[in-house]
Amino acid sequence: AQSVTQLDSHVSVSEGTPVLLRCNYSSSYSPSLFWYVQHPNKGLQLLLKYTSAATLVKGINGFEAEFKKSETSFHLTKPSAHMSDAAEYFCVVSDSGGYQKVTFGTGTKLQVIP
Amino acid sequence: EPEVTQTPSHQVTQMGQEVILRCVPISNHLYFYWYRQILGQKVEFLVSFYNNEISEKSEIFDDQFSVERPDGSNFTLKIRSTKLEDSAMYFCASGAGGPNQPQHFGDGTRLSIL
Repeated sequence: AQSVTQLDSHVSVSEGTPVLLRCNYSSSYSPSLFWYVQHPNKGLQLLLKYTSAATLVKGINGFEAEFKKSETSFHLTKPSAHMSDAAEYFCVVSDSGGYQKVTFGTGTKLQVIP
Repeated sequence: EPEVTQTPSHQVTQMGQEVILRCVPISNHLYFYWYRQILGQKVEFLVSFYNNEISEKSEIFDDQFSVERPDGSNFTLKIRSTKLEDSAMYFCASGAGGPNQPQHFGDGTRLSIL
């Protein structure tokens, strides 16, 4: 069984300040973990993925995430928020290699204040 | 970069009518999925499809739902007799399969049942 918990439903940051979106997972096997972003009225775009290689994963648009097995966490960070980062972010887990169904977190809405 | 495309972007249908949502997955992908997102709720898995058959389905995917890959390029979701609670955003995804491969999502079809 697998599950994912996104600890914050809303996060608000000022433009130029760091972003931290938190995610904890539960998995029976070695998980694959992903972050997706959804802009309003758009589909889900892959930001980055962890697949048991390096624990610090770099993605698009300056985002990165660190896999911490001891904490069962996969938090998403960015050093400096940009207005275009305002969107909803989903943490996703798969413990079957990513080719069967995945489980989504409930999402975190990121607001960026000018 | 190849994309998953979904049509239509918005479908309005009377309750009780049949509706078909269409998807064109990425051409060399082998695994296909449908998800739905009711407004304000999390993204939920509906069904996965591989080798011309359903590989897994959720309890949401009851007898009213069916999927088909009629011609080797399209992947369709049919809802036989729509209900008000079927109103949601429906996302198609495809994946190359195998360990560590992320799913690629379309922009979704917004289904509104009147």
